[in-house]
Amino acid sequence: AQKVTQAQTEISVVEKEDVTLDCVYETRDTTYYLFWYKQPPSGELVFLIRRNSFDEQNEISGRYSWNFQKSTSSFNFTITASQVVDSAVYFCALNQAGTALIFGKGTTLSVSS
Amino acid sequence: NAGVTQTPKFQVLKTGQSMTLQCAQDMNHEYMSWYRQDPGMGLRLIHYSVGAGITDQGEVPNGYNVSRSTTEDFPLRLLSAAPSQTSVYFCASRGELYNEQFFGPGTRLTVL
Repeated sequence: AQKVTQAQTEISVVEKEDVTLDCVYETRDTTYYLFWYKQPPSGELVFLIRRNSFDEQNEISGRYSWNFQKSTSSFNFTITASQVVDSAVYFCALNQAGTALIFGKGTTLSVSS
Repeated sequence: NAGVTQTPKFQVLKTGQSMTLQCAQDMNHEYMSWYRQDPGMGLRLIHYSVGAGITDQGEVPNGYNVSRSTTEDFPLRLLSAAPSQTSVYFCASRGELYNEQFFGPGTRLTVL
């Protein structure tokens, strides 16, 4: 069975701090995809990144970076120099090709000025 | 290209009423799905469809019906609304090439 665990329910930081959101997943398949979504207070789901199981390269996009480690089944997300606009709920998700997305329960990030 | 659209954005129902949440996509995606989002629970799959005429149940299907008569549309029906169905509902479609999921803006449903 597939499962995604986001152990951090809520995180509060002050602007300019770095913050890492943890994501641990379980799957028996060798081919799968991992995702991160952002849900700002307005409620829509914003796609951030997709990573397939054969690509363990870390990725950096501006202040965002992702660390994928198959050895620990983790796909962690780091925001560098956080800003108030980063305040949102962040979801990690997993699927295998042809199946539905399985979401973690989300981490609520609050960034104060 | 509108992506995934959902109507209505907000709805209030009384217990026992029925309604249909509409979902449409214009990307010619075969795979579509419905999720509900509740506080502290993440998004949970209600029903999904892998193509016109084919639907299946997800994690929390009870109280909901779906059908898929066209590639574009995937409506979700509540036959007899219950307060436990108060939630935010998201429709999604998935592209085949990159497995990317596209979500609609959501419908916030309150059942009194």
